Amino acid sequence: DTGVSQNPRHKITKRGQNVTFRCDPISEHNRLYWYRQTLGQGPEFLTYFQNEAQLEKSRLLSDRFSAERPKGSFSTLEIQRTEQGDSAMYLCASSSPAQGATLTDTQYFGPGTRLTVL
Amino acid sequence: EDQVTQSPEALRLQEGESSSLNCSYTVSGLRGLFWYRQDPGKGPEFLFTLYSAGEEKEKERLKATLTKKESFLHITAPKPEDSATYLCAVRGGSTLGRLYFGRGTQLTVWP
Repeated sequence: DTGVSQNPRHKITKRGQNVTFRCDPISEHNRLYWYRQTLGQGPEFLTYFQNEAQLEKSRLLSDRFSAERPKGSFSTLEIQRTEQGDSAMYLCASSSPAQGATLTDTQYFGPGTRLTVL
Repeated sequence: EDQVTQSPEALRLQEGESSSLNCSYTVSGLRGLFWYRQDPGKGPEFLFTLYSAGEEKEKERLKATLTKKESFLHITAPKPEDSATYLCAVRGGSTLGRLYFGRGTQLTVWP
């Protein structure tokens, strides 16, 4: 399977603990995105990387959240001092730059990491 | 800010009963409107990208259309395996990479 992979698939933690998620994009995709999705809602954008550079961040990404993509390949998303409101599905997507007549690239999503904060 | 509104929130169809899902959007400089399918507990699966008013795309029983203010996802003779949440998203010209998603339409097709 050459799709986007995310680990772990599920994480249960206690309030106040730190958690880290990993995303491996489709090989040769240089763009990587993180989204958060709560029940009954569509995904909400968190942040965007092109290669190793973090080019865009949402206001949702508070100072407890940090994302990295050190070598322009896999990415990690860390949440410090978790709160119950952080419980959600964390989705990663990747894309490659649009080519030819297309105006924008297509983002392909991974299976997500389900976080439950007790 | 770019916005997407989907309707209805939920739709129940009998197998073979065709219908349409609506996605209304407000965006500055549309650079793409996307349809995704999402099964429970899984990530969104890409279906279509539309770029300009009048454009149409088809895949099996699904057909997506686009106007200047909205998009429709037409489902012809649906089957139970088409049951899923269908998400609409837009990308505007003022953002680098983010997609703005609607809340989705939860489709249930019963035999």
